[in-house]
Amino acid sequence: DAGVIQSPRHEVTEMGQEVTLRCKPISGHNSLFWYRQTMMRGLELLIYFNNNVPIDDSGMPEDRFSAKMPNASFSTLKIQPSEPRDSAVYFCASSFDDGEREKLFFGSGTQLSVL
Amino acid sequence: AQTVTQSQPEMSVQEAETVTLSCTYDTSESNYYLFWYKQPPSRQMILVIRQEAYKQQNATENRFSVNFQKAAKSFSLKISDSQLGDTAMYFCAFMKNNAGNMLTFGGGTRLMVKP
Repeated sequence: DAGVIQSPRHEVTEMGQEVTLRCKPISGHNSLFWYRQTMMRGLELLIYFNNNVPIDDSGMPEDRFSAKMPNASFSTLKIQPSEPRDSAVYFCASSFDDGEREKLFFGSGTQLSVL
Repeated sequence: AQTVTQSQPEMSVQEAETVTLSCTYDTSESNYYLFWYKQPPSRQMILVIRQEAYKQQNATENRFSVNFQKAAKSFSLKISDSQLGDTAMYFCAFMKNNAGNMLTFGGGTRLMVKP
């Protein structure tokens, strides 16, 4: 398996533009997570899906952020409109939640810069 | 809510020596899991070691071992025979037993291994 695949690896955009980050989890995994990493706040959980259903979105900063998981093999995180303070590395991670606390597998992240 | 604290923002060690990274956490849960993740400059998040709170025996993975003190809520990582490739950010993380595979991360420790 190729692991968790995120695209793009880098994204530079201007304030006010819409940004869409993409994630393909590991095949067979049923849990998917979006994390954001910044110098100031470290790694924060934004949203967690289980079996394609959002379970916990309490970490989503505000209405400008939205996440979807239309099927088991694809998820998106959208920011509209983007702001400079959204600049961060966004990680997607997946795991198989069968009651055992298995490890998360992380993608390589998307470095987002909003100018 | 759980909190994870890493009190050492930066550390350095000479190659082949031993270094210990500190982590404390706060929780009211009795059963949980603790992790150490490594993030090299490539940005990839790599699981180093995992500890289950109900196990008294400290986890060990080759040169990496932990000192888990449940009563003190302490979970330190010891790296023996440090190698240049160990240079990275290290994150301590907490996972509740019955809340999916959601991780709460500490702020990280930047480790530099010097030749």
